Amino acid sequence: QVQLQQWGAGQLKPSETLSLTCAVYGGSFSGYYWNWIRQPPGKGLEWIGEINHSGSTNYNPSLKSRVTISVDTSKNQFSLKLNSVTAADTAVYYCARDFRYIGMDVWGQGTTVTVSS
Amino acid sequence: QSVLTQPPSSSGTPGQRVTISCSGSSSNIGSNYVYWYQQVPGTAPKLLSYRNDQWPSGVPDRFSGSKSVTSASLAISGLRSEDEADYYCAAWDDSLSGWVFGGGTKLTVL
Repeated sequence: QVQLQQWGAGQLKPSETLSLTCAVYGGSFSGYYWNWIRQPPGKGLEWIGEINHSGSTNYNPSLKSRVTISVDTSKNQFSLKLNSVTAADTAVYYCARDFRYIGMDVWGQGTTVTVSS
Repeated sequence: QSVLTQPPSSSGTPGQRVTISCSGSSSNIGSNYVYWYQQVPGTAPKLLSYRNDQWPSGVPDRFSGSKSVTSASLAISGLRSEDEADYYCAAWDDSLSGWVFGGGTKLTVL
C-alpha cells in the first residue's frame, strides 16, 4: 500500500520561503507524476504543480514565478518551495500521486501552513 | 474564480438521487478526461472517479458519471448520510498545461 508522508514548517512570516517535502513509501517512484495541491481555509482545491521522476515539471501559471518543485529519486521524495509568501498563501498543502488517466489516487495527510507577521 | 464551474451546494434526503454538475471549456473538459474527488471536511481528498466514468475499487455503484462536450456530471443514487462531503471535479487544461479544479460542491444529506 503506497503512502505519502509530508512535512515542513507550519508557521511563516510574510516574504519567507515555504518549504515542504513529501516521501513516498511502499511503491514505485517512477512512472508517476507527483503533485502539490493547496486548499485555503474554507475554500476549494488549487493545483500548484507537478514533477515526474526524471524532473520534468508543470506549474500553475498563477504561481509559476514563485514555485519550484524538485525531486530526489534516491530518497523517493519530492519537495515544494514557494518564495515570497503572503497571507494569501495560508492553506493546507497536500502532496498527491498522479498516474496519468487514473487521477490523483494517493494523497498525503496535508500540512497546514499559516503566514502571519 | 475556478476554471471549472460547480454549484456551491446541493442537498437531498436519504434514498434520493442527486446530481452535481461541472462546466468547463474546450481546453479542459472538452478535450480531456474528467475526474471527481470526494472530501470529508478535515481530511484529504479521495479519488472518486477517473476517465469520466470509471471507478476505483471500493466506490459504491450508487455513483455514476457522465460527460458531454464541455460539461460533466456526477450522480449519486440511493443517497446515504455518509455521502455528505465536498465534491470536486477536475480536468487537465491544455491551454494552462496543468490541472484545473471546480470550486467544489458541498453535498448535504438532510
